[in-house]
Amino acid sequence: EVQLVESGGVLVQPGRSMKLSCAASGFTFSSFPMAWVRQAPTKGLEWVATISTSGGSTYYRDSVKGRFTISRDNAKSTLYLQMDSLRSEDTATYYCTIYNNWFAYWGQGTLVTVSS
Amino acid sequence: DIQMTQTPSSMPASLGERVTISCRASQGISNYLNWYQQKPDGTIKPLIYYTSNLQSGVPSRFSGSGSGTDYSLTISSLEPEDFAMYYCQQYDSSPWTFGGGTKLELK
Repeated sequence: EVQLVESGGVLVQPGRSMKLSCAASGFTFSSFPMAWVRQAPTKGLEWVATISTSGGSTYYRDSVKGRFTISRDNAKSTLYLQMDSLRSEDTATYYCTIYNNWFAYWGQGTLVTVSS
Repeated sequence: DIQMTQTPSSMPASLGERVTISCRASQGISNYLNWYQQKPDGTIKPLIYYTSNLQSGVPSRFSGSGSGTDYSLTISSLEPEDFAMYYCQQYDSSPWTFGGGTKLELK
C-alpha cells in the first residue's frame, strides 16, 4: 500500500525558515517524480514544486521560486521541501504527492502557519 | 497561467441523483485534465485522469468528458460517500493549476 507521511509543519515567524519531510513507502520511490501541493485555509489547491526521479530537475511556481527548494533522498525514500523567507501567504497545509502526469497519490498533509 | 473555472461552486443534491460539475479552462488544454475528490478531513483522492480515465478502484458511477476548454465530471447516482469537494486540474502547461472547487452537499 502506498503511504506518504508528511512532517515538519509548525508555527513559524515571517522571514524564518523551515523544512518539510515526506516519508514514502509501498512503492519504488526512486521511479517516480514527486511534488508538493498546498492548500491555504478554506482555499483551493495550489501546485508548489515538482522534482524528477533523480532530483536533477526541479520546477517551481513563481511565487516560491528562489525561496523554496524541493529535494529528495532516494536511499531514504524521503521527499523534502526547504522553505526560506517565509511569508504569511505561505500559510497552508502542504501535501506530498506522487506525480505521474497527475497527482496520483497524496499524503494527509502537514500544516505550516506563518505568523508573528 | 491557465485559469480553471469550476461551476457551480456549491451544489445541493440528493442521494441517487445524477450530478454534473463543469470545469472551463482559459485556453485549450488538449484533454490534459484531471479530477480529485477531497473529504472534510482533508483526504484527497484522485478520481479521473486525462479527461475520462478512471483511477483504479474508483466506482464506475464517476465519469469524465470534455475537450478543448470545457470539461465535466458526472456522478450517475449519488452515494453518501460522494458528498465532498471536487477539483479539476490542468497539466497542459506549467504552472499546473486547479479549479476553485465544487462542494457537493446533501440537500
